Amino acid sequence: GDSVTQMEGPVTLSEEAFLTINCTYTATGYPSLFWYVQYPGEGLQLLLKATKADDKGSNKGFEATYRKETTSFHLEKGSVQVSDSAVYFCALINTDKLIFGTGTRLQVFP
Amino acid sequence: DSGVTQTPKHLITATGQRVTLRCSPRSGDLSVYWYQQSLDQGLQFLIQYYNGEERAKGNILERFSAQQFPDLHSELNLSSLELGDSALYFCASSSTGGLRGSPLHFGNGTRLTVT
Repeated sequence: GDSVTQMEGPVTLSEEAFLTINCTYTATGYPSLFWYVQYPGEGLQLLLKATKADDKGSNKGFEATYRKETTSFHLEKGSVQVSDSAVYFCALINTDKLIFGTGTRLQVFP
Repeated sequence: DSGVTQTPKHLITATGQRVTLRCSPRSGDLSVYWYQQSLDQGLQFLIQYYNGEERAKGNILERFSAQQFPDLHSELNLSSLELGDSALYFCASSSTGGLRGSPLHFGNGTRLTVT
């Protein structure tokens, strides 16, 4: 069945460092891909999405490109802030099912 | 603020008991989804309701049930509770019945602790 695999955390970075969180997927057909963010004590919020191959989703300085050839949707940010500390979930929608990865905790220190 | 309200925020109860979790969707949203988030299982989809009718079922145990009322709020009932049911339970809402049509908006969750 369809699945999403994320790199395990926590990812620990200093402020202004470059961030990459890896995400790969397995799915038949043409899934839509998403990144959600969960701040402490809150629910998940949609961060960005891409609905077809080579689409780039971007929001708040984060971006991810839908790569069908490598079945990947890696999240990147050029310069992280302490306020970016959260858990990030990669997800896909295929045949009307939403499937989440296990989440990657990001900790950013000043 | 997502506009999705979940109550209570925290719930502590004993094994064997029954609890009810409540969710009010965003104004205008017709779909309500329930998810369970635990450390070992990640985010698991439990069940979806659309305009009062059950639309999709995920990994929901037989001890769990849900319903959506005419005013579109939803309740998740958990009975014969076990220690392993301790988790964060999230509700999410969307304006359509299908997932591709509109994004999900999540509440802040109810943390259930079973002792």
